Amino acid sequence: DGGITQSPKYLFRKEGQNVTLSCEQNLNHDAMYWYRQDPGQGLRLIYYSQIVNDFQKGDIAEGYSVSREKKESFPLTVTSAQKNPTAFYLCASSTKITDTQYFGPGTRLTVL
Amino acid sequence: DQQVKQNSPSLSVQEGRISILNCDYTNSMFDYFLWYKKYPAEGPTFLISISSIKDKNEDGRFTVFLNKSAKHLSLHIVPSQPGDSAVYFCAASGDNNDMRFGAGTRLTVKP
Repeated sequence: DGGITQSPKYLFRKEGQNVTLSCEQNLNHDAMYWYRQDPGQGLRLIYYSQIVNDFQKGDIAEGYSVSREKKESFPLTVTSAQKNPTAFYLCASSTKITDTQYFGPGTRLTVL
Repeated sequence: DQQVKQNSPSLSVQEGRISILNCDYTNSMFDYFLWYKKYPAEGPTFLISISSIKDKNEDGRFTVFLNKSAKHLSLHIVPSQPGDSAVYFCAASGDNNDMRFGAGTRLTVKP
């Protein structure tokens, strides 16, 4: 049963703490992405990776970091440098960056 | 730099009527266009796509039209159903550029 998973669904953290969001896919996709969605707004690209051990900044990379050590996994760390971390975070994957992206269920992060 | 624009943030339609969602793009190198549907607190789901060699693609109640000269695409849903109420995102990619999303249009289908 192929798909893309994100965990947890809801995450709460205190201000000043780093937090890592998980994203795993078993679709054998080379490309993976992280987006952020704020209320009433569209999807904004944080980071993307076209292949293992490689990733590029998206439009709003400041305050975030990623790694791509395995094809299946693309974790996102929200650092204390991110000024407004509370948001809905979406992970996606595709065979290559121009192809249809398939999204995970999302993680809602609330920083208290 | 908004390369993909959805100028209508919301649309309200009566059940059974047609819903038309619009999308404009600026990058002439885009050659693959998609529509995604998103319910609250869930990830977007792929709905329908069209490549630039076509001007129409149909899948059941959903039809996407592409007007390359106008750099415009639209999604038609007919007949609209209450379960179609969601946010619809237009997306485009091409020429090794990563996919770009519009800001979304919230569709409400009233019973």
